[in-house]
Amino acid sequence: EIVLTQSPATLSLSPGERVTLSCRASQSVSSYLAWYQQKPGQAPRLLIYDASNRATGIPARFSGSGSGTDFTLTISSLEPEDFAVYYCQQREKWPLTFGGGTKVEIK
Amino acid sequence: EVRLLESGGGLVQPGGSLRLSCAASGFTFGRYGMSWVRQAPGKGLEWVSTFSGLSFDTHYADSVKGRFTVSRDSSENTLYLQMNSLRAEDTAVYYCAKDFVSGDSHSFDSWGQGTLVSVSS
Repeated sequence: EIVLTQSPATLSLSPGERVTLSCRASQSVSSYLAWYQQKPGQAPRLLIYDASNRATGIPARFSGSGSGTDFTLTISSLEPEDFAVYYCQQREKWPLTFGGGTKVEIK
Repeated sequence: EVRLLESGGGLVQPGGSLRLSCAASGFTFGRYGMSWVRQAPGKGLEWVSTFSGLSFDTHYADSVKGRFTVSRDSSENTLYLQMNSLRAEDTAVYYCAKDFVSGDSHSFDSWGQGTLVSVSS
């Protein structure tokens, strides 16, 4: 099973700040990595698929990069609605796996 | 507009069974892989099972293999999850989720609102 490790677990930031979230895979997942945002009481929302492709309707301030085992989700300037939990997910191999999540909270 | 509506959750005793349904609309259901993903209270996301879009293959997490069965009825645009021998650790909100492209892509661009399964005596 491919283990995805997200860091840090929690980030305390202010609106307008730049955010960089990390996802590290225990073995290569090529570019088959997605990022999701989840707010309390809501279903996850796909932000990025295949490492660097923004999903439909996702603002340009969200970007993804990386390949192999190291991936990054960047939010260029935090908006109030961006405070949430972010998960990465690999689709390279069965079983599909998710990272443990990074919570971005208001400082 | 894509819509996914789960139903069938509830309170069940350990060892019991439940069948979850996910009614889909707004896309050509039979062309897409569909999955179940769960989230225990206060915890992260856990993939449970997938019904592949092209091959009719099914896949399961080790934690549910042999107890859960995924199926779909393309004439009814509905995905199912039959859950048997339920355990306390199966307690979670269960989401159905649609692949982001047709065929088999296994990342998910549409999610239902979730249905809560509670396993307790």
